[in-house]
Amino acid sequence: KAGVTQTPRYLIKTRGQQVTLSCSPISGHRSVSWYQQTPGQGLQFLFEYFSETQRNKGNFPGRFSGRQFSNSRSEMNVSTLELGDSALYLCASSPWTTMNTEAFFGQGTRLTVV
Amino acid sequence: ELKVEQNPLFLSMQEGKNYTIYCNYSTTSDRLYWYRQDPGKSLESLFVLLSNGAVKQEGRLMASLDTKARLSTLHITAAVHDLSATYFCAVDDNYGQNFVFGPGTRLSVLP
Repeated sequence: KAGVTQTPRYLIKTRGQQVTLSCSPISGHRSVSWYQQTPGQGLQFLFEYFSETQRNKGNFPGRFSGRQFSNSRSEMNVSTLELGDSALYLCASSPWTTMNTEAFFGQGTRLTVV
Repeated sequence: ELKVEQNPLFLSMQEGKNYTIYCNYSTTSDRLYWYRQDPGKSLESLFVLLSNGAVKQEGRLMASLDTKARLSTLHITAAVHDLSATYFCAVDDNYGQNFVFGPGTRLSVLP
């Protein structure tokens, strides 16, 4: 069974640019969440999509946005990049049913903003 | 606002010893998750605890949940070097996959 796939794995961008990250969840999983991991702030929740609808949103500025497609694949976009956006971005997928809320994480995309 | 605390944040222990990592959270939740992260790697799911009194064991690790005390424990039995990693607990607010993570416990098991 294929796991959660994130692309690209590494990315270097310049301040002011925008970036799009992609996440392919495990087949059959309808919930996809995104997290930012930095040494200073730890793991922080960005947003969650469930059946193409944003169901939850964390405390991040509007420069961070996302979407989910009908095949449950998700993309995350960050516009007007800042140095502080340098982080490991992790995507997690889950069936998110009453009986199964286990979430599986992808390998992450390491974004460096210079 | 849901907050999750872990202690200790750093743990250095000898092989063969036992120890417990504690995870406290601030608001009502029936679901708690434990993850392991190796340096430079992603998060590996260890345990999902879905009700008060839940106890799960896998190898040398055992996790439990007390929802009334808002406390989960991860007990390590007879530690081995391979268990060296950072361990995170996470809680959701019952409204979806929006985990609030603890700061992590960095475990080093020394020979």
